[in-house]
Amino acid sequence: KQEVTQIPAALSVPEGENLVLNCSFTDSAIYNLQWFRQDPGKGLTSLLLIQSSQREQTSGRLNASLDKSSGRSTLYIAASQPGDSATYLCAVGSGNTGKLIFGQGTTLQVKP
Amino acid sequence: GAGVSQSPSNKVTEKGKDVELRCDPISGHTALYWYRQSLGQGLEFLIYFQGNSAPDKSGLPSDRFSAERTGGSVSTLTIQRTQQEDSAVYLCASSPRTGTPLGQYFGPGTRLTVT
Repeated sequence: KQEVTQIPAALSVPEGENLVLNCSFTDSAIYNLQWFRQDPGKGLTSLLLIQSSQREQTSGRLNASLDKSSGRSTLYIAASQPGDSATYLCAVGSGNTGKLIFGQGTTLQVKP
Repeated sequence: GAGVSQSPSNKVTEKGKDVELRCDPISGHTALYWYRQSLGQGLEFLIYFQGNSAPDKSGLPSDRFSAERTGGSVSTLTIQRTQQEDSAVYLCASSPRTGTPLGQYFGPGTRLTVT
């Protein structure tokens, strides 16, 4: 059974810092891995999608890496801004249906 | 529309009543998923559709929950005899096809409150 864990559960940093969010999963047989952002009371916004054959994806200040063999992914946020404050969710697409298995999320606060 | 839509956005119901939640996926997407986000459980998978069939219902928490999809498009999630523990945000997602590496696109969700 696929299990996804995110560390840390919460993170508070001053504006301008670079930071790394961690995600680990137990079964390396995955279709893809998605990082989402969720603002309070809102839906999910897809940030980055890494296909199983890829090692990393970049979008602006965000970079996500994937190491299937070790069951790990990291989301790197450069030069953090207060607007980056949100909960970040890691989700692994697996099984015959590609259903997403989510971690519990990392709640990020970037202080001005 | 361009994205996944869900209705209603909010639903308050009394314990014991039945509710129906609707999802309109992105046009042409054959795969459709329902998820639930509750305070204690995080985000969890409920059911998956490929076309009009549901080969994976493993996440439905009880037989009070059912879902259908018609015309390979709109899906309805029905909860019968609602209980307070059913209170959650119900999210729908669609994807171009099963197992695609292209990812899933989520709707805004329906917030269900059972009083």
